[in-house]
Amino acid sequence: EIVLTQSPGTLSLSPGERATLSCRASQSVSNNYLAWYQQRPGQAPRLLIFGASSRATGVPDRFSGSGSGTDFTLSISRLEPEDFAVYYCEQYATAPFTFGPGTKVDIK
Amino acid sequence: EVQLVESGGGLVKPGGSLRLSCTASGFTFSTYGMHWVRQAPGKGLEWVSSIIPSSTFIYYADSVKGRFTISRDNTKNSLFLQMSSLRADDTAVYYCARVRERGFAELDSWGQGTLVTVSS
Repeated sequence: EIVLTQSPGTLSLSPGERATLSCRASQSVSNNYLAWYQQRPGQAPRLLIFGASSRATGVPDRFSGSGSGTDFTLSISRLEPEDFAVYYCEQYATAPFTFGPGTKVDIK
Repeated sequence: EVQLVESGGGLVKPGGSLRLSCTASGFTFSTYGMHWVRQAPGKGLEWVSSIIPSSTFIYYADSVKGRFTISRDNTKNSLFLQMSSLRADDTAVYYCARVRERGFAELDSWGQGTLVTVSS
């Protein structure tokens, strides 16, 4: 099973600032099958990034993903009020598919 | 508009069974892979199970293998999760989710979830 570790656990930032979230895998994620999801309180998760760096339909271009192998990053260039949420990475290369524990981005 | 609506959640005693359903609309259900993902109260996401359009390939998390069964009825645009031998740590909101078109297993549409509580 591929174990995903996310850091930091919580990121406290102000609107307009840049956010950088990390996801590290215990072994290489083949084909860079790594996705990022956003979850706001009381809502279902929303797909942001797939294939490590491709934005899902309708996702603003302030969200970007990068990385390969075992190290991946989600960047939010300028935080908007609606971006304060929890973000999860997921590897879907190998079953059992696994999620990271999440990074909470909250308002400083 | 893509819609996924889960139902069947509720309170069940340890050792009991429950069957969750997910009704899909707004897309050609029979051509999409589908997954179940759960979230315990205040916790993170946990992948549970997945099934391809033809039901030929099915996968389970180790935590539910042998106790849960995923299935689908493409004629009724429905996904199911039969849960048995339920334990307290199965308590969670259960989401059904669709694999992105032409994708591999990334999940681009999610239902709002149904809460399963396992307690005596």
